Amino acid sequence: DAGVIQSPRHEVTEMGQEVTLRCKPISGHNSLFWYRQTMMRGLELLIYFNNNVPIDDSGMPEDRFSAKMPNASFSTLKIQPSEPRDSAVYFCASSAREYEQYFGPGTRLTVT
Amino acid sequence: KQEVTQIPAALSVPEGENLVLNCSFTDSAIYNLQWFRQDPGKGLTSLLLIQSSQREQTSGRLNASLDKSSGRSTLYIAASQPGDSATYLCAGFWVTGFQKLVFGTGTRLLVSP
Repeated sequence: DAGVIQSPRHEVTEMGQEVTLRCKPISGHNSLFWYRQTMMRGLELLIYFNNNVPIDDSGMPEDRFSAKMPNASFSTLKIQPSEPRDSAVYFCASSAREYEQYFGPGTRLTVT
Repeated sequence: KQEVTQIPAALSVPEGENLVLNCSFTDSAIYNLQWFRQDPGKGLTSLLLIQSSQREQTSGRLNASLDKSSGRSTLYIAASQPGDSATYLCAGFWVTGFQKLVFGTGTRLLVSP
């Protein structure tokens, strides 16, 4: 198995632009997690899907952030409009059990 | 609210030294605790998972302990090597309240040859 796949690996965009991050979970895993990692705040859970349904989105910082999981093999995290404070590394993780999560390599987002 | 703390934020040791990384958590009703390794520019890799019914887990040169009553976990690395240089994060999981991993901010370890 290729593990969790994220794209792009790096994204540089200007403030105000729309950003879409993509994730392909490990086949057979029924839970998917989006995290954000910054030096100041560490690793924060943004949203958690189970069987393609959002279960907990309390970590989504504001309405500019949205996430979808149209099927078991694909999820997106969208930021519109993006702001410099959104610069971070965004990780996707998948699991068959909530606490046993496998992480992707991350997308490093820079908003100028 | 469940919180996880790691101290120190960074640690530098010479090769061959035994070392201990510390993790503390606020809610003793923890379900399990994991230690992860993160290399620069990479995702997290799970190293050890300790269930609440266990006191410790071992994998090679790594040994992790869990003391629920004191709210502490330690990761012991024996005979450290330069390849152990990475950031180590601990994460707690509780089944009450929000069922999600709660991460510490990590300890950045540098092992010098």
